[in-house]
Amino acid sequence: GESVGLHLPTLSVQEGDNSIINCAYSNSASDYFIWYKQESGKGPQFIIDIRSNMDKRQGQRVTVLLNKTVKHLSLQIAATQPGDSAVYFCAVSGGGADGLTFGKGTHLIIQP
Amino acid sequence: GAGVSQSPRYKVAKRGQDVALRCDPISGHVSLFWYQQALGQGPEFLTYFQNEAQLDKSGLPSDRFFAERPEGSVSTLKIQRTQQEDSAVYLCASSLYGGNTGELFFGEGSRLTVL
Repeated sequence: GESVGLHLPTLSVQEGDNSIINCAYSNSASDYFIWYKQESGKGPQFIIDIRSNMDKRQGQRVTVLLNKTVKHLSLQIAATQPGDSAVYFCAVSGGGADGLTFGKGTHLIIQP
Repeated sequence: GAGVSQSPRYKVAKRGQDVALRCDPISGHVSLFWYQQALGQGPEFLTYFQNEAQLDKSGLPSDRFFAERPEGSVSTLKIQRTQQEDSAVYLCASSLYGGNTGELFFGEGSRLTVL
């Protein structure tokens, strides 16, 4: 099966700095990768996704990078704002399984 | 409504009671998923419906858990004889397309506390 791990449970950054959140996955057959943001008491909210035929995708202030060789995924948030404070999960799909496999999450803390 | 709606938002049950959690997906969405999220953890897959068909229930932790979506819209997750380890947030998500081919929209979850 798939396992998804994140390197840091907590990440503290200064407001205005860039944030990078990392994720590793185990199944080389995985083909769809998503980043979610979850604020306290709410459900996960879609941020950005990427498919295995790409290695980079950009959104508004966010970039996802995919390195299939080492099975690594990262989320970059530019010019971090107080509203970015939340828990961020990477989720992985594919390899024959229904449903997404989520990592444990990184809590992003914004220092003023 | 515009989003996925779940009820109740909070449920306290005594050990051994049965509970039912409801999910109203976004209208027209084909796929519906249930996830369980323990405190401080990521969501874990429970089960998946495509329309009214339950295509995958491999994540249900025991036969005390049962889910249905009889008309391909509203879904109910039922937990019989609740145990303390069932305490978690139960998240429902829907997607316009079948399988894992599109964006999942999550509800705010039902937080179950078993005493």
